[in-house]
Amino acid sequence: DGGITQSPKYLFRKEGQNVTLSCEQNLNHDAMYWYRQDPGQGLRLIYYSQIVNDFQKGDIAEGYSVSREKKESFPLTVTSAQKNPTAFYLCASTGTPAIDTQYFGPGTRLTVL
Amino acid sequence: RKEVEQDPGPFNVPEGATVAFNCTYSNSASQSFFWYRQDCRKEPKLLMSVYSSGNEDGRFTAQLNRASQYISLLIRDSKLSDSATYLCVVNEGGKLIFGQGTELSVKP
Repeated sequence: DGGITQSPKYLFRKEGQNVTLSCEQNLNHDAMYWYRQDPGQGLRLIYYSQIVNDFQKGDIAEGYSVSREKKESFPLTVTSAQKNPTAFYLCASTGTPAIDTQYFGPGTRLTVL
Repeated sequence: RKEVEQDPGPFNVPEGATVAFNCTYSNSASQSFFWYRQDCRKEPKLLMSVYSSGNEDGRFTAQLNRASQYISLLIRDSKLSDSATYLCVVNEGGKLIFGQGTELSVKP
């Protein structure tokens, strides 16, 4: 079964801690994306990568970091510098960014205690 | 002005009703357009792409008007299972821009 997996589904973090969210896809897609969704709001782009070993900041990159060492994997680290990290985090991928739509993983719900 | 703007919700309709969602976008160079459905606390899932000629998939019809920069989604004979948030999405040079979503609640 081809698809995108994210783990964990729920994550609790203490203030001041870094935490890494996993995203893996077996769709052979070149491009991968991280979004954040807050209650009642649309999705906002954090980071994206169109090819291995390359990534770009999205609209709200401050306090986040990513890596893209393998085509299948695009982990997101939420650092202690992110002032309001409690949110629903969604990973997506696409084969042809210019025209194709994106397919989403099931998301990780992060809560900072 | 927001890049992608949708009707504010929620829409509360009875089963069997026809409901229409509207969306406008600000970038005339946008290349492709989509409607996604998002259930509560779940990921968005592609409902349908939107083509200039208009396209239909069962009870769902999507229309695009490039001149007016306007996209619509029509749901006929609505079902309880159609209750969800509907997201209008525009592809701008490989970057997806999401509307804030319109919530639909279909009641018995």
